[in-house]
Order: sequence, then C-alpha cells, then structure tokens
Amino acid sequence: QKEVEQNSGPLSVPEGAIASLNCTYSDRGSQSFFWYRQYSGKSPELIMFIYSNGDKEDGRFTAQLNKASQYVSLLIRDSQPSDSATYLCAVKDSSASKIIFGSGTRLSIRP
Amino acid sequence: GAVVSQHPSRVICKSGTSVKIECRSLDFQATTMFWYRQFPKQSLMLMATSNEGSKATYEQGVEKDKFLINHASLTLSTLTVTSAHPEDSSFYICSASDRGLRNEQFFGPGTRLTVL
Repeated sequence: QKEVEQNSGPLSVPEGAIASLNCTYSDRGSQSFFWYRQYSGKSPELIMFIYSNGDKEDGRFTAQLNKASQYVSLLIRDSQPSDSATYLCAVKDSSASKIIFGSGTRLSIRP
Repeated sequence: GAVVSQHPSRVICKSGTSVKIECRSLDFQATTMFWYRQFPKQSLMLMATSNEGSKATYEQGVEKDKFLINHASLTLSTLTVTSAHPEDSSFYICSASDRGLRNEQFFGPGTRLTVL
C-alpha cells in the first residue's frame, strides 16, 4: 500500500512568520510531487509542483524535495491569515496514473 | 488555463433516486479524469480513475454498479450515483489531467450531494 504521510495539525503560526509543512512518502519510484491548498468546503487548488531534488520557489512558497529521504516540504514565507487552510501533499503513483494524497495538515495563521 | 467545471454544485435528492454529476475540462483535453469523495473533516478518497473511451478503474471497496462513471469524450466525464441513500451524502470532486500537463491534476469545484 503506497502511502503519503502528513502531520494532521493544526499547525498554528503567527502572521508574518514562516510556516513549514512536511510530508513523507513510501513510493520510491515517484517522480512528481504536488502541494494543494484546500479551504473549508472548497475543492483542492494546486499551488506548487516539484519534480527535481532541491528547492523550487514561487512567490512566498518554496517546495523542497529530497528523493533519497522520500521527503517533501512546503515553506510559506510572510504567512497571512488567508493562508489558513488545509494543505495536501500529493505524490504521483509510479505505476498508475493516479496521485496519492496525504490526509492534509491544517494550518492556522494567527493575527 | 487548466479549468475544470462541475455541475451541479449542489444537489438534494430523495433516497432511492439517481443523481448525475458532470465534470468538464474547459481549456484542455483530459485524457484521464478522477472522481473523489470527501466526508466532513476527512481526506480525499479516490473512487475511480477513468480514461477517455475505456471503462473506469474503481478503487477497492467502491461499488461500480452504484457509482457509474462514463468518460465519453476528452472533455466530459459523468458520475451517476444510483439508488442514492443518506450515507451517500458527501462532497464529490472530480479532477482532470493531461499528459501534456506533466501529471498535474486540476480539480473541479465539487458537488455537494445531500440524500434525504
């Protein structure tokens, strides 16, 4: 059974600080990794994808990938109250067309 | 780009009736579409994967005769919940991907189904 593990939270971060979200996965052959944001009652929204080891930056978001450790993370700089949501880590199944989702980390940015 | 729509956004039906939910990719051709279900405060649960022109692949524990999936074109997939019961009440979300989009999945806005 291929798995994606995330701490369910809630993770509480003061406004303006850096929020750090972590994820580990079991499928060693995976090549594609994603972070989705889901607001309550809404569907997930893709915010970052990463395919290569290292860091990828997009605005206030940085995704980090370490395939050797099977570890993906998401950093959110200058956290805003609007960043409060559930963040889903997702990993492309290496042997099927589907993506495997973690259960999500609930992030709360306190003013 | 990469917009996925779903219709209806919300539906209330009586127990025993069937409900059809449509999922459309508006600006790309979706070779693969996925159907998920999400109960309150729980994670996404993949129900099935459908490829255009072929039968859907259902996840373990999902009844294929109850949740009928059709992916008749590269832009449209439908999910029909047959003989719905209150326990089928949930948030149903589709997503679509295209090989040209490097395996990224783009989600529709979801359909909230309430079965009375």
